[in-house]
Amino acid sequence: QVQLQESGPRLVKPSETLSLTCSVSGGSISTYYWSWIRQPAGKGLDWIGRIYSSGATHYNAPFKSRVTMSVDTSKNQFSLKLTSVTAADTAVYFCARGGFSGSYYFDFWGQGILVTVSS
Amino acid sequence: DIQMTQSPSSLSASVGDRVSITCRASQSISNYLNWYQQKPGKAPKLLIYGASTLQSGVPSRFSGSGSGTDLTLIISSLQPEDFATYYCQQSYSIPWTFGQGTKVEIK
Repeated sequence: QVQLQESGPRLVKPSETLSLTCSVSGGSISTYYWSWIRQPAGKGLDWIGRIYSSGATHYNAPFKSRVTMSVDTSKNQFSLKLTSVTAADTAVYFCARGGFSGSYYFDFWGQGILVTVSS
Repeated sequence: DIQMTQSPSSLSASVGDRVSITCRASQSISNYLNWYQQKPGKAPKLLIYGASTLQSGVPSRFSGSGSGTDLTLIISSLQPEDFATYYCQQSYSIPWTFGQGTKVEIK
């Protein structure tokens, strides 16, 4: 059973960089897309972007100027960096695997990590 | 970007009721539509992918149908554990986008 676990600072100061890592266990990170998705309190789900195991990325336009994703296949981990954060970036951040069977879907998710942007 | 609009935004239903949730896409997405269930404080759980394929382990009372711009999730007989928020998500084109969610509450 594939498991994902987010880790990183839960409190980030405004204007600083949010950095999260997703550790994948129970399966290889290779040959899959891996996504970051966030959810502000009481709101819906926003897809931030995805990274393939090769390192190829696709970022959602609202985040494109501030986001960087990377992958470390030797550690079975992938990461998210979001720069110049504001209070609007306060949210639960999920990592998820992009499964594929004719189309893509998020079949495995981390439990989520609440990141608060505050001084 | 493809906009996904769910209706209703919320509904109240009783155990045993048949529940239907619709997801409308701003352009045709063929059958590139997934449904998720989310309970408070938990990650979303995949229910259906490809508009109508039940994810392994998901009860058969959940079903999906439709293609193009109007797709539907049906719960044939609502159970106590089904009270949650449901999201649709299109994987037809990047950026992948979600509907705003439908909260299913107990009547």
